[in-house]
Amino acid sequence: AQKITQTQPGMFVQEKEAVTLDCTYDTSDPSYGLFWYKQPSSGEMIFLIYQGSYDQQNATEGRYSLNFQKARKSANLVISASQLGDSAMYFCAMREPLIQNSSSGSARQLTFGSGTQLTVLP
Amino acid sequence: DTEVTQTPKHLVMGMTNKKSLKCEQHMGHRAMYWYKQKAKKPPELMFVYSYEKLSINESVPSRFSPECPNSSLLNLHLHALQPEDSALYLCASSQAVQGALSYNSPLHFGNGTRLTVT
Repeated sequence: AQKITQTQPGMFVQEKEAVTLDCTYDTSDPSYGLFWYKQPSSGEMIFLIYQGSYDQQNATEGRYSLNFQKARKSANLVISASQLGDSAMYFCAMREPLIQNSSSGSARQLTFGSGTQLTVLP
Repeated sequence: DTEVTQTPKHLVMGMTNKKSLKCEQHMGHRAMYWYKQKAKKPPELMFVYSYEKLSINESVPSRFSPECPNSSLLNLHLHALQPEDSALYLCASSQAVQGALSYNSPLHFGNGTRLTVT
């Protein structure tokens, strides 16, 4: 089963308009973190915003905000006042409780959704 | 500017070549990752190092050999690759902490190495 689902392969938005990118997730653990990344055509993966499962407030970071609906297991990204430079692939991702390794510390996996290609139109 | 640096940016290699990808971070992170990404697909986890020790190997073929010489460096040694191994290889780092509160640590990625196997 998919842990992270992004149902919009592609989205178009007019410059200066707001756009919502959908993300739903599946986990049975009460502790988890949700992340959004932006990947322009150049390939770099840019961290945008984080939401923790226990956070009471929706995360905001500049023009980015996260519409977190825990009961529905959704974590949609809202980009306000779209700019041409926002055109990119956007990935939703989740981290779950750590994998214990008593001899070497700990590390966490990041599970990605399939991504949404956003195109901002002039 | 990214704080995780990957070299080279582009690499073309034949199937009999041996090459290495390099990654360096100066964020004080103790977890480092290698991901493989095909075009229009999400990144797929290959390896995770925690405190310089390999903690996760996602059943990656032995023609990929990771190495973590110290807390700032991560290498990926390549040997006898196949054309289907052509992809973008991303390195990332994050905090690695004991206990149950480390799920809030984002991964910070480098710009990637675009590998073409001919």
